[in-house]
Amino acid sequence: KAGVTQTPRYLIKTRGQQVTLSCSPISGHRSVSWYQQTPGQGLQFLFEYFSETQRNKGNFPGRFSGRQFSNSRSEMNVSTLELGDSALYLCASSFFGRDTEAFFGQGTRLTVV
Amino acid sequence: GQQVMQIPQYQHVQEGEDFTTYCNSSTTLSNIQWYKQRPGGHPVFLIQLVKSGEVKKQKRLTFQFGEAKKNSSLHITATQTTDVGTYFCAGPRGNTDKLIFGTGTRLQVFP
Repeated sequence: KAGVTQTPRYLIKTRGQQVTLSCSPISGHRSVSWYQQTPGQGLQFLFEYFSETQRNKGNFPGRFSGRQFSNSRSEMNVSTLELGDSALYLCASSFFGRDTEAFFGQGTRLTVV
Repeated sequence: GQQVMQIPQYQHVQEGEDFTTYCNSSTTLSNIQWYKQRPGGHPVFLIQLVKSGEVKKQKRLTFQFGEAKKNSSLHITATQTTDVGTYFCAGPRGNTDKLIFGTGTRLQVFP
């Protein structure tokens, strides 16, 4: 079966702009989580959606938001980009959530200049 | 809040040597998962441990879950260059579906 698909793979944006990243989970998976990965901070949890509802949220400012659609596809949006938002954004899907393995997408490499 | 620390942060070994990474959580975990991320890649699930004191093996990899379910370890016997990557442990935060990742251990294997 197809894996987790994230688009776009690479993105360059200017400070102050906004960006939307997309994640298509594995068919049948209802839980989608987003992570930010940077060399200094490791894998930081952003939020988790299940059946179109945000179940969990990490410690990120309100500029980071997300949503999940009825087909389980998810998007995350970052508004008013800052240089520090440059990172690899990873999406992970799982069947239920914490008790099942997470399948990661290839990630979106965001560079803010 | 809940923290998951891993040591060491980096490990360089000669091919054929053994390697161990340790994962410590500040709170009890209902389960612990291990992932491997190759350079330039994304995390890939390796295994999940659920029971206190559980030990699981995958070929040269041995995973342990502590009796108190607050720590875990991954041991690789006779490392190979294909073992290169960063190994992360991860556990759910409390009773939520928030999967918290450890700080990771980056393994470099020299031929």
